[in-house]
Amino acid sequence: NAGVTQTPKFQVLKTGQSMTLQCAQDMNHEYMSWYRQDPGMGLRLIHYSVGAGITDQGEVPNGYNVSRSTTEDFPLRLLSAAPSQTSVYFCASSLYGGTGANVLTFGAGSRLTVL
Amino acid sequence: GQNIDQPTEMTATEGAIVQINCTYQTSGFNGLFWYQQHAGEAPTFLSYNVLDGLEEKGRFSSFLSRSKGYSYLLLKELQMKDSASYLCAVVSGDYKLSFGAGTTVTVRA
Repeated sequence: NAGVTQTPKFQVLKTGQSMTLQCAQDMNHEYMSWYRQDPGMGLRLIHYSVGAGITDQGEVPNGYNVSRSTTEDFPLRLLSAAPSQTSVYFCASSLYGGTGANVLTFGAGSRLTVL
Repeated sequence: GQNIDQPTEMTATEGAIVQINCTYQTSGFNGLFWYQQHAGEAPTFLSYNVLDGLEEKGRFSSFLSRSKGYSYLLLKELQMKDSASYLCAVVSGDYKLSFGAGTTVTVRA
């Protein structure tokens, strides 16, 4: 039982490049989400999904795309990287969304630097 | 959006008690979480409160007052391994989860 697996752990991009951060979970969780974490700021929600085929925008969605073709996978795509997207990205999942007691399990994080 | 405030940093001595406060303003309320995050690692779940009062889990306790928009996390018998960031997160009326910026606790010998 691996939990939430994120790859890559580190990535350096040049401005304008595109890339995909991978996220997979093996806990049969319906809810998956992507957060970014910047110094002095809380975790901010980028996109989330309450089940396969369903995605929605969070607080800071601009510049990012997601898809949820299977229950297990929730990749995050950076379309044209910008220095403002330099951050640590966390994928998190939980059994269900839309409830209060929704304990998130986080992946180990992906540190992205955009030059 | 939500407004969640917690102190940026706190320092305490090994064996002591530290209380981390969190105040929030939210449209509707469906619970409050505390997560622990060690440097360079992922956040991990500590506690969840949805009703007023104190929830105790070993050395850690969490308190909630919904009428005051206030919670605290109490860490007792501090150990060096408790040095970490503690994140307060609030579930709003539409079940969106918002995080505070986190409180970095440093435990000194």
